[in-house]
Amino acid sequence: DAGVTQSPTHLIKTRGQQVTLRCSPISGHKSVSWYQQVLGQGPQFIFQYYEKEERGRGNFPDRFSARQFPNYSSELNVNALLLGDSALYLCASSLSSPPGANVLTFGAGSRLTVL
Amino acid sequence: DAKTTQPNSMESNEEEPVHLPCNHSTISGTDYIHWYRQLPSQGPEYVIHGLTSNVNNRMASLAIAEDRKSSTLILHRATLRDAAVYYCILRPGNTPLVFGKGTRLSVIA
Repeated sequence: DAGVTQSPTHLIKTRGQQVTLRCSPISGHKSVSWYQQVLGQGPQFIFQYYEKEERGRGNFPDRFSARQFPNYSSELNVNALLLGDSALYLCASSLSSPPGANVLTFGAGSRLTVL
Repeated sequence: DAKTTQPNSMESNEEEPVHLPCNHSTISGTDYIHWYRQLPSQGPEYVIHGLTSNVNNRMASLAIAEDRKSSTLILHRATLRDAAVYYCILRPGNTPLVFGKGTRLSVIA
């Protein structure tokens, strides 16, 4: 079975531009979460979606938005890019809106560089 | 958010056991203890999780102290492929994973 797939794997943008990152969860997984990982730090939670509804949001500005589609794939959008948005963006899927025991499967990430 | 404390780095020889400690003195009764690891240039990978009892799986063992204020991830025979950052995470109910800085494990051949 395919794991969590993310695209693109690498991209370069300039300040002020907008970017869309895509994620396909593992088949059967209905929950998708997005994380941002800046170099040298652990991943930081951005969003969680379950059954196309936002179930959680981290401490990120409104420039960050996301959505989940009927096939459970997801997109993360970032507007008005800043240099500080340069990071690895990780998508994770799980079987359901997670209780404490649920396990997340992560993709390899999309590395965004903002110049 | 529940907090964990881990050493910044540890070193192990190949084919020897590795014990990665984690302190979580403010743990509550419903917090699960999760371990994830992140190999270079990859996303985090689930290792193991537990609530109160020790747990074993094909990757590792998790030993949880009786008072649950600390836990230890045990890799029984470290290989070069186990070199990674290991994250100990408390999961209180329906909340996202909150990653700290983890422990960077180096494995020496």
